[in-house]
Amino acid sequence: QVTLRESGPALVKPTETLTLTCTFSGFSLTTTGMFLTWIRQPPGKALEWLARIDWDDDKYYSTSLKTRLTISRDTSKNQVVLTMTNMDPVDTATYYCARNLVGITAFDIWGQGTMVTVSS
Amino acid sequence: QSVLTQPPSVSAAPGQKVTISCSGRSSNIGNNYVSWYQQLPGTAPKLLIYDNNKRPSGIPDRFSGSKSGTSATLGITGLQTGDEADYHCGTWDSSLSAYVFGTGTKVTVL
Repeated sequence: QVTLRESGPALVKPTETLTLTCTFSGFSLTTTGMFLTWIRQPPGKALEWLARIDWDDDKYYSTSLKTRLTISRDTSKNQVVLTMTNMDPVDTATYYCARNLVGITAFDIWGQGTMVTVSS
Repeated sequence: QSVLTQPPSVSAAPGQKVTISCSGRSSNIGNNYVSWYQQLPGTAPKLLIYDNNKRPSGIPDRFSGSKSGTSATLGITGLQTGDEADYHCGTWDSSLSAYVFGTGTKVTVL
């Protein structure tokens, strides 16, 4: 059974750095054509793609957020970590990690999401 | 901030059909496959359609997808109250080297 679970702080202060962890099971991120993606959704708003890390460790970032984002993986722990620096109240959102269909850019398995509020 | 444009809302009576459009450009929809996601209230999105018109296992054939040029369309036939949700399109954008989502469409069953 494939599962994804996001974890991290529910509340961060403005200017702080957010660190989120996606822990997954039931598949290997080293399988050719596999990647893990972070996506967020502010309350009542659209989905926003943030970053992706591939089976071969290639990384891709949102153009508008790339200076603030870092995605990394620990294959031994089956984890992918996203850090976002200089948090602002507009970054308040539910953050999801998602897996793609192998070799296809579509997300077939999503985590339940973790709500992050940015407030002093 | 969304690169793909969807109508904010569509509605129809139970049993009827709705279509949701997703408009982009050549760098995204025009040259890449489109996916559609259903998001029930308070839950994570769920994949409905991938590669423009393919359904994952378990998705009923009431849901269909198509693409023409720089636009894509999701169709839902035999509308049910359980279909009330937000629907999102998405695709890779080759110019941005990033995935882009639509603005989202709320489906209401009258």
